[in-house]
Amino acid sequence: AQKITQTQPGMFVQEKEAVTLDCTYDTSDQSYGLFWYKQPSSGEMIFLIYQGSYDEQNATEGRYSLNFQKARKSANLVISASQLGDSAMYFCATSNAGKSTFGDGTTLTVKP
Amino acid sequence: EPEVTQTPSHQVTQMGQEVILRCVPISNHLYFYWYRQILGQKVEFLVSFYNNEISEKSEIFDDQFSVERPDGSNFTLKIRSTKLEDSAMYFCASSVRKINTDTQYFGPGTRLTVL
Repeated sequence: AQKITQTQPGMFVQEKEAVTLDCTYDTSDQSYGLFWYKQPSSGEMIFLIYQGSYDEQNATEGRYSLNFQKARKSANLVISASQLGDSAMYFCATSNAGKSTFGDGTTLTVKP
Repeated sequence: EPEVTQTPSHQVTQMGQEVILRCVPISNHLYFYWYRQILGQKVEFLVSFYNNEISEKSEIFDDQFSVERPDGSNFTLKIRSTKLEDSAMYFCASSVRKINTDTQYFGPGTRLTVL
């Protein structure tokens, strides 16, 4: 079974600063994917970034980067230069063999 | 940019009624998924579907749930006899390949309210 732990129920960050959202996972699978999704108050799930378990380089997508530490089983999301529009719930997820497991989420609030 | 679509956006039904939630995955995607999110809680996997059959399902996906790809574009989730606890947002998603190696894209969701 897979398990995702997001230990920060809520985070605050000042506009234009960087923020790290924590995610640790537990899986016995050798091949898996790690994902981060953003869910604004409107409710949709927006894909942000993907990291494959065999990828040696950390994934980056614009202002988003994933700090992947395989030995520690962590996949933290780093958002650089925070914007007011980044205020949302953020979910970390892992996937294998057609099934995804999500964490409880972190609510990020960006302060002006 | 291609996207997953879902209809209706909001469905209200009486307890015990059957509902069908509809999804149109991205056209070149081969893997399809349903998730649910009870208000204020995390997203929960229900089922994945590939090559016209279920690949994986969770313990939530019991006999009252079924999925179907009735034609080349639609992917449906049926709940046979709705319960109050089925009230949730239901998300459809799709991916080109298996999601341990590929990104899945979510639709906007259908909010199901069971009265």
